[in-house]
Amino acid sequence: DADVTQTPRNRITKTGKRIMLECSQTKGHDRMYWYRQDPGLGLRLIYYSFDVKDINKGEISDGYSVSRQAQAKFSLSLESAIPNQTALYFCATSEGTGGQETQYFGPGTRLLVL
Amino acid sequence: AQKITQTQPGMFVQEKEAVTLDCTYDTSDQSYGLFWYKQPSSGEMIFLIYQGSYDEQNATEGRYSLNFQKARKSANLVISASQLGDSAMYFCAMRDGGGADGLTFGKGTHLIIQP
Repeated sequence: DADVTQTPRNRITKTGKRIMLECSQTKGHDRMYWYRQDPGLGLRLIYYSFDVKDINKGEISDGYSVSRQAQAKFSLSLESAIPNQTALYFCATSEGTGGQETQYFGPGTRLLVL
Repeated sequence: AQKITQTQPGMFVQEKEAVTLDCTYDTSDQSYGLFWYKQPSSGEMIFLIYQGSYDEQNATEGRYSLNFQKARKSANLVISASQLGDSAMYFCAMRDGGGADGLTFGKGTHLIIQP
């Protein structure tokens, strides 16, 4: 089984709808992240969490919210989806042992907002 | 502020040749980490190699090596004996030593290996 899973893998929604993307991990890592990738660009950080009680905004948090339900689960919500949120969304995890630890990514969720 | 620059939007390389993918970075931190990820057409992000700013030796992982030139703020990925399966997008990324933020990514290089 994959260490980092994301559901759904693909999602089509309409402008104004609320949607949630979910991420689960079995790696036992404390730190979890949400990124988005737009065509022709690298990944950009949306939110990150060091543990259940520690959630931080990343570079592009506007229009998004997150919930860390447990060490293993980190959800990303779009409260009112808009077309420019169409992107590939990645969840990632890492060990909390310092500033140089590797991040391991889930398979991604392709989101299309009509 | 961190910045990662990958100057090669696309590259064509003959199978079995070595290839170097360029990456330069900009940071004022003394402690940081540099990463390379591969993204095949299927979309997943695959970790390839890591280099710490205090590591004196260049990192190697199988056919991948990282040519780390700290004074030039350069962290080029070298793939030896390229294979058709190496065709993918390659991203350079950096994380500062504070660990407060996630990774900062470059825009990537699209590598195509030709038979």
